[in-house]
Amino acid sequence: ETGVTQSPTHLIKTRGQQVTLRCSSQSGHNTVSWYQQALGQGPQFIFQYYREEENGRGNFPPRFSGLQFPNYSSELNVNALELDDSALYLCASSYRGANEKLFFGSGTQLSVL
Amino acid sequence: GEDVEQSLFLSVREGDSSVINCTYTDSSSTYLYWYKQEPGAGLQLLTYIFSNMDMKQDQRLTVLLNKKDKHLSLRIADTQTGDSAIYFCAENGGYQKVTFGTGTKLQVIP
Repeated sequence: ETGVTQSPTHLIKTRGQQVTLRCSSQSGHNTVSWYQQALGQGPQFIFQYYREEENGRGNFPPRFSGLQFPNYSSELNVNALELDDSALYLCASSYRGANEKLFFGSGTQLSVL
Repeated sequence: GEDVEQSLFLSVREGDSSVINCTYTDSSSTYLYWYKQEPGAGLQLLTYIFSNMDMKQDQRLTVLLNKKDKHLSLRIADTQTGDSAIYFCAENGGYQKVTFGTGTKLQVIP
């Protein structure tokens, strides 16, 4: 158990809709990273939040956005969903300055139909 | 850019040693990691090594790092059926992100 919780565990949406995924960080962690894992692939970095600001972004379009709250929990928002957005979305929390060990939640499985 | 490569599949017999290999490209990586993912689950950090180390041992796990060749390996001694999973190598070149490989599926045959 990592102490990182994600909700919901599964979600089905249709193309063009919007989705919000949620993540609660492990106690004591101040940084949240979001990853997209397509079937049979490794996780791909979406972005990271530190002190409630985006602090690094991978190769994802602006329709992927996020928030970090004062309690270090976080949201991932995806607008105008596309079929290729179907994937497992993983949240990872860490403590900046402590060799960036990432502790992952179990993920949200998003299916876009 | 960063790129991490791994072989896709490894099959070993229970009790044997498993060696999973990885190559990476970012020479500025400060930490390298091994994560384990079981079906339907998130990633579990198994072990990590700092870039100025050559080897790290943690119970049944041994990590070897060849920084010159940018090669990382994970050896699992006395492999058990519970070790069956996908293993990801990952590198951290800075604060912003950790880059993962495509994963190696380890199958342990009883």
